[in-house]
Amino acid sequence: DAGITQSPRHKVTETGTPVTLRCHQTENHRYMYWYRQDPGHGLRLIHYSYGVKDTDKGEVSDGYSVSRSKTEDFLLTLESATSSQTSVYFCAISEESGRPKGNTEAFFGQGTRLTVV
Amino acid sequence: AQSVTQLDSHVSVSEGTPVLLRCNYSSSYSPSLFWYVQHPNKGLQLLLKYTSAATLVKGINGFEAEFKKSETSFHLTKPSAHMSDAAEYFCVVTPRARDSSYKLIFGSGTRLLVRP
Repeated sequence: DAGITQSPRHKVTETGTPVTLRCHQTENHRYMYWYRQDPGHGLRLIHYSYGVKDTDKGEVSDGYSVSRSKTEDFLLTLESATSSQTSVYFCAISEESGRPKGNTEAFFGQGTRLTVV
Repeated sequence: AQSVTQLDSHVSVSEGTPVLLRCNYSSSYSPSLFWYVQHPNKGLQLLLKYTSAATLVKGINGFEAEFKKSETSFHLTKPSAHMSDAAEYFCVVTPRARDSSYKLIFGSGTRLLVRP
């Protein structure tokens, strides 16, 4: 299994509180991603990173921020949690090895179940 | 814009019968395509991938998929379903972004039920 650790694995928090989820990798992969999974939506990209201090928004980035100060860590922060952010959050990593044979498969962490009450 | 459509939200088969999970994609570039599986309360595991080599791709656990450019399809099949195949399956496309990253775009998923 790819070395990806998400913490915490479960969290319950109150509306309006800040929350930070951590993704740690030991694979030295360049790209890291945060997704949320909700029934009927598959996985939707929140933010991603293509290097240290290089991040960009995904399709559902409102209400979330990220930081990547080291290759191995990618943090997702909910500045002020809302009930709509109750979800399962997955971190993923990947490494590009060129086109046309781009070996772009991603490896996923075990997920963090976040409940906002 | 790139997108993935999984045509069935649920598929139910009997154990020992064939499995067909359908996926159509839309991509401006020559895409890479994947199928991932997620068992209940688990993370996602790669089943197989297409990256512009052979159009018929074999994966783990007896699954395979065929890339058909003319039909923009990448359907997942297995000749004989096993009870352990019951899970949710995601079709994924990776178009290339301007910053050269590979953002995964997921379909909405197909839940496979296998009846004894």
